[in-house]
Amino acid sequence: DIQMTQSPASLSASLGETVTIECRASEDIYNGLAWYQQKPGKSPQLLIYNANSLHTGVPSRFSGSGSGTQYSLKINSLQSEDVASYFCQQYYDYPTFGGGTKLELK
Amino acid sequence: QVKLQQSGAELVKPGASVKLSCKTSGYTFSTSYMSWFKQIPGQSIEWIGMIYAGDGGTGYNQKFKGKATLTVDTSSSTAYMDLSSLTTEDSAVYFCARKGSPYNWFAYWGQGTLVTVSS
Repeated sequence: DIQMTQSPASLSASLGETVTIECRASEDIYNGLAWYQQKPGKSPQLLIYNANSLHTGVPSRFSGSGSGTQYSLKINSLQSEDVASYFCQQYYDYPTFGGGTKLELK
Repeated sequence: QVKLQQSGAELVKPGASVKLSCKTSGYTFSTSYMSWFKQIPGQSIEWIGMIYAGDGGTGYNQKFKGKATLTVDTSSSTAYMDLSSLTTEDSAVYFCARKGSPYNWFAYWGQGTLVTVSS
């Protein structure tokens, strides 16, 4: 199994701030990485795939980067609607997810 | 547009089985793959397995072999997941999701079905 370690587990930030969430894979996943946003009681929503490709309809303040085993999701100019949990998921092997990051407003 | 509509919440007794459904519309179901996931509220997401609607071929996370059985009904564009020998550890929200093309990212998700196992 490919293990995904996500950090931080929780994050508090102010409106307009830039936040970064990290994800580390236990082996090289060759950019086979997606990021999801999940709000309470809702299903996950795809933000990024192939590590850095923005899914249709996702605001451009979201971006993904990384390679090898290290990946990150950046949210520029944090908006109130961005309060949610975020998960990384690798698909180089059968899908596995990071532990999640809960983003709150400061 | 693509829609995945899951069946309603279930309250089941330990030792029982339950069959969840995921009715799809808006795309060609018979040539698509459907995955299922488990999420205990407040926790991360686990992939249970995947089924190809074209021939019913399946692949499972080793952890869920013997626990989950995936099937499809192409006549109604519906995917199913049977969960057997339920314990309290199976209490969770279960999602179906359609894989992206050509890789296993998931752009379309059902709304989730809450399964509660309790006597």
